[in-house]
Order: sequence, then structure tokens, then C-alpha cells
Amino acid sequence: KAGVTQTPRYLIKTRGQQVTLSCSPISGHRSVSWYQQTPGQGLQFLFEYFSETQRNKGNFPGRFSGRQFSNSRSEMNVSTLELGDSALYLCASSPTTGNTGELFFGEGSRLTVL
Amino acid sequence: SQQGEEDPQALSIQEGENATMNCSYKTSINNLQWYRQNSGRGLVHLILIRSNEREKHSGRLRVTLDTSKKSSSLLITASRAADTASYFCATDAGNQGGKLIFGQGTELSVKP
Repeated sequence: KAGVTQTPRYLIKTRGQQVTLSCSPISGHRSVSWYQQTPGQGLQFLFEYFSETQRNKGNFPGRFSGRQFSNSRSEMNVSTLELGDSALYLCASSPTTGNTGELFFGEGSRLTVL
Repeated sequence: SQQGEEDPQALSIQEGENATMNCSYKTSINNLQWYRQNSGRGLVHLILIRSNEREKHSGRLRVTLDTSKKSSSLLITASRAADTASYFCATDAGNQGGKLIFGQGTELSVKP
């Protein structure tokens, strides 16, 4: 069974631009969560989607948004990029919502904002 | 702020030695998990322990949970160079659906 796939793996943007990251969960998994990882703040929860509905949202500004499609694939978007948005963005999937078990992570999308 | 605090932040040992990492958290939990991350890669789930469990084993891994002290430890026995990675504890923060709160991690270096 294929794992969680994130694209692109690496990207460089400049301040003020926007970026869209994509995540394909493991087949049959309906929950997709997104996390931001930086050296200073560590791993921080962005949001979780289950059956196309946002179930929970972390403490991030409105510039960070996401969505989930009917095939469970998810995208997250960051608008008006700031230098501090440089990070590894990790997507994770699980069969169900509610933190009942492990998360399966992708390899991440490393965003550099110049 | 992070729910989990990990100790030590970095640990360097020789192959064959045991490695112990500790995690403390702040609020009540349903379960606690440990993950491993090789440099710049995704996280890999190691083990999950539920709040009503005190100890769990998986291969060379042993996890303990003390809910009265809000702490957990991860023991890796007979470490190998391939165990070199960062290790994170993660809690469910008590029914905040779909959200895990991660500690800052312990960076383990196992020297051959």
C-alpha cells in the first residue's frame, strides 16, 4: 500500500507570494492533518480534515488555509508569504478522526521564503 | 505552547548502550505516542500507550507512562547507529479531535 505522498518536496518562494501544497493520504484514510515544523517552534498543528470538513484548527493566522477533496486528497495554501513561514510542512493521514491511533506522515514539503 | 517537554534535548551514546528519553505533558490525555524522525524526513510512529496503561514494549523499545506525574519515558535498548534520529512524544490533548501536541524532541546520536 502506498504511503502518504506530499508534493512538491522542495520549493522556494519570495515574500508576498502564495503557495499551495498537496497531500495524498494512504488509500482508505479519510483524515488528513497538517503540521508545520520549524527549528524554533517545533511541530505545530495547523488543521485536520475529515470527510471534506475541517475538524480542528491550530493557532495560525487566516493566511493559512486548507481543503479536502472527495477522494480525501488535501491541499493547504499559504497566502502573502512571510519569511517566518519557511518550514517543513508535514501531512499525516489516519483512517479515522479523534486521535484514536497513530498518524502516518509523508516526507514533507520544505518551503523556503526569501 | 507545546504540551510536551522532552529531556534531554540531545543525547550521544555508543552502539550497544541504552538510551532513555523523557517527556512531560500538561493536561489530561487519552493516549501518548512516540515518533521518530530522521533528519529532514517525515515522522514514523513507534508506539502508542493509552492512559490506562503503565508500560508497553515493542521490540527494543519500552515505554512507560505515569499519569500522576504527567510523564512518559522511552527506552531504546542495545542501540544501533541506525537509531540515530530525533524522537518526539505526542499527546492527544484530551479529545481535541485530530490534533496531536508534540514535544520539542530529543536528538539521539548513536556512535558506532
